[in-house]
Amino acid sequence: SQKIEQNSEALNIQEGKTATLTCNYTNYSPAYLQWYRQDPGRGPVFLLLIRENEKEKRKERLKVTFDTTLKQSLFHITASQPADSATYLCALRVPGGSYIPTFGRGTSLIVHP
Amino acid sequence: IAGITQAPTSQILAAGRRMTLRCTQDMRHNAMYWYRQDLGLGLRLIHYSNTAGTTGKGEVPDGYSVSRANTDDFPLTLASAVPSQTSVYFCASRDRDSGELFFGEGSRLTVL
Repeated sequence: SQKIEQNSEALNIQEGKTATLTCNYTNYSPAYLQWYRQDPGRGPVFLLLIRENEKEKRKERLKVTFDTTLKQSLFHITASQPADSATYLCALRVPGGSYIPTFGRGTSLIVHP
Repeated sequence: IAGITQAPTSQILAAGRRMTLRCTQDMRHNAMYWYRQDLGLGLRLIHYSNTAGTTGKGEVPDGYSVSRANTDDFPLTLASAVPSQTSVYFCASRDRDSGELFFGEGSRLTVL
């Protein structure tokens, strides 16, 4: 079965720095990969989607890369702000068959002022 | 505002009781999902439905059932609650074109 690994340790960074979060997966090559943000007590909110034939996707201060050879996606937040503090989840879909979104356990990001 | 509505927001339940968590969407999405989220375990899929009238089992379906009588509603039922079902439950729907999942705000369930 598909396994998704995200760093379970919280990432602490200083305001203004670039935060980089990692999502590794095994067994399959997903058709696409998504990143979500989750604040305490709230449901996850969609941020970005990157397809298997795309290397990089950007949205404002966010950038996602997708390396199907390494089976890895990197999620970057540039010029980080304390308001970026949240848990970030990656999710993927394997190609073909019934779409079953599978999530990693998430990485907590803490941006210190 | 369009989206997913879950009810109740929170509930304390005695073990052995029956409970139904409600989920309604107004985006006319075909696919809907129920996840539970536990500390350290992330989001785990309980059941899903690709379209009205069909349902499927996810990673942790035991003790749960779902129905999908129409496009908008996707209730999750615990027939006889047990303490291990204490969790936060999230309902989601998927936009077929973008692949984006839309989540509700969750239902926090405590089984004593």
